[in-house]
Amino acid sequence: SQQGEEDPQALSIQEGENATMNCSYKTSINNLQWYRQNSGRGLVHLILIRSNEREKHSGRLRVTLDTSKKSSSLLITASRAADTASYFCATYNTDKLIFGTGTRLQVFP
Amino acid sequence: GAGVSQTPSNKVTEKGKYVELRCDPISGHTALYWYRQSLGQGPEFLIYFQGTGAADDSGLPNDRFFAVRPEGSVSTLKIQRTERGDSAVYLCASSLGAWGRDTGELFFGEGSRLTVL
Repeated sequence: SQQGEEDPQALSIQEGENATMNCSYKTSINNLQWYRQNSGRGLVHLILIRSNEREKHSGRLRVTLDTSKKSSSLLITASRAADTASYFCATYNTDKLIFGTGTRLQVFP
Repeated sequence: GAGVSQTPSNKVTEKGKYVELRCDPISGHTALYWYRQSLGQGPEFLIYFQGTGAADDSGLPNDRFFAVRPEGSVSTLKIQRTERGDSAVYLCASSLGAWGRDTGELFFGEGSRLTVL
């Protein structure tokens, strides 16, 4: 089962532009995480935002969380070709981390 | 090792055969997870171990799937009588402990790609 739904499913931008991905989830959460997956590789943790936080930054990443709307967004600023990957949000359902369907980001040089 | 190691990286088998996929987690990580990922989809939860015991196996699709972690470290996912629909990438992840004991971040291996002909 999928806990979260990312939007858009696919996104294509030019290098230097910003990329915004959205995630909606269904149940109450303690935290929400974003992961990145390069084609054919495993997932890599990017950032975790707790339910009592509204915004968090890490380098070129900015994550927001709106628990009243059960939604989160991931913003990648000044994108690079190397940012091309799939991005997933994930939340815990009891002890298991459940992932969304992902946004496939393509950054053109 | 430095990261989560999964073997084999690729496995091609025939319908009806038995398959074992191995996961070697990060040393000291007590929690171990198996996920399955089909093309274009997010990882789908299969089973979670805390130590040697399966704390949650609610994601296993049927009784052809079984996983063990006898010494609380290496885990093996076993698939009996494989079907073409079992073809997917099987991902293993580990973390320091169950939710509430750490940041909840999972560390993933590169996956085992299973193809059932």
